[in-house]
Amino acid sequence: EVQLVESGGVVVQPGGSLRLSCAASGFTFDDYPMHWVRQAPGKGLEWVSLISGDGVSTYYGDSVKGRFTISRDNSKNSLYLQMNSLRTEDTALYYCVKDAERVGANRFFDYWGQGTLVTVSS
Amino acid sequence: SFEMSQPPSVPVSPGQTASITCSGDKLGNKYVSWYQQKTGQSPILVIYEDDKRPSGIPERFSGSNSGNTATLTINGTQTLDEADYYCQAWDRGSVVFGGGTKLTVL
Repeated sequence: EVQLVESGGVVVQPGGSLRLSCAASGFTFDDYPMHWVRQAPGKGLEWVSLISGDGVSTYYGDSVKGRFTISRDNSKNSLYLQMNSLRTEDTALYYCVKDAERVGANRFFDYWGQGTLVTVSS
Repeated sequence: SFEMSQPPSVPVSPGQTASITCSGDKLGNKYVSWYQQKTGQSPILVIYEDDKRPSGIPERFSGSNSGNTATLTINGTQTLDEADYYCQAWDRGSVVFGGGTKLTVL
């Protein structure tokens, strides 16, 4: 059974930093790209970042580019999101999400974690 | 950057057919996926690659994509289908979501 368990969400002040983690199990972790997707309270889904299975290629949404860094440790079946220069608009539930395809030109998601809540507030 | 738009809400009576649209420039040239999110829960995939259903998704869910519009259709809508629905596509290195549609079954 695929499981994705996020952690690290807390209350942080604007301008601060935070590192989210996601522990994955139930599949061959390094075979699959992984994503972070967030959802602000009462709002829709917003894609944050993508990392390839080997960790070499990374992609970011415009709103976080230059501030957030995605990484993975395949030896630990873990995904991370380093968040710097946090803003109030970064307040959201952050989901760790598994890509459905090992390779290919299309990206979509077959498993989602339960999310970890990040609140940016003074 | 590529954008997709959805109607904010769609009402439907139990047993009737619900259609949720997703619009974007030349969207028919991309693959579209659809996610269902019930209140307080994580999203689940209900349609991928325009019209494919993952295992475990009821046959009443179907999808299509042509021109500038993708459509999620729910035949014989049930009260348990009440949820937010999001379309999603991949465009030049970015994942794009539609704004979401609240399906109300009443």
